[in-house]
Amino acid sequence: GENVEQHPSTLSVQEGDSAVIKCTYSDSASNYFPWYKQELGKGPQLIIDIRSNVGEKKDQRIAVTLNKTAKHFSLHITETQPEDSAVYFCAASKDFNKFYFGSGTKLNVKP
Amino acid sequence: ETGVTQTPRHLVMGMTNKKSLKCEQHLGHNAMYWYKQSAKKPLELMFVYNFKEQTENNSVPSRFSPECPNSSHLFLHLHTLQPEDSALYLCASSQELGNNQPQHFGDGTRLSIL
Repeated sequence: GENVEQHPSTLSVQEGDSAVIKCTYSDSASNYFPWYKQELGKGPQLIIDIRSNVGEKKDQRIAVTLNKTAKHFSLHITETQPEDSAVYFCAASKDFNKFYFGSGTKLNVKP
Repeated sequence: ETGVTQTPRHLVMGMTNKKSLKCEQHLGHNAMYWYKQSAKKPLELMFVYNFKEQTENNSVPSRFSPECPNSSHLFLHLHTLQPEDSALYLCASSQELGNNQPQHFGDGTRLSIL
């Protein structure tokens, strides 16, 4: 099956700085890559996703890049704010909505 | 408000008890999922239902028994659980299977086994 690895496990940045979280996947047939944000006491919330026919996608301060050749994708958050502090999960899927999740990155944005 | 509601939010039970977790989605979706989230581990898919039919059982022990009476409701019946079953149980829904769609999660039920 698919194996998704996520790094780093924890990330601490100063408010206003950028944060980058990276994931690698093993199955070259994977074609859908969502990112989720999970705040304390809440379930994961979809923040952005990308499909394999696109190399980059942006939504305001958030962007995701995909390198199919290298089988890795990254989440970029610019101008970080304290409310961005949460656990972020990447996932990969190739069909039938069977998501394989990374182990999560705890992001701490210091004011 | 995510459109996926899980009850109860917290549950403490003994190993010999029987309890049920409930999930309801108000998004008009046709696929529903149960996940287990343990500390420092990736989310583990447990069951998948599509149009009320189970399409995936990810080698889950029989002490977990899912039920999907319609596309809006999903239950997880629990009996004779073990301490290692303590975790956050998340329900999710998506429009359908067969074409990758975003999954929308509820806030989970925090289960503690005494």
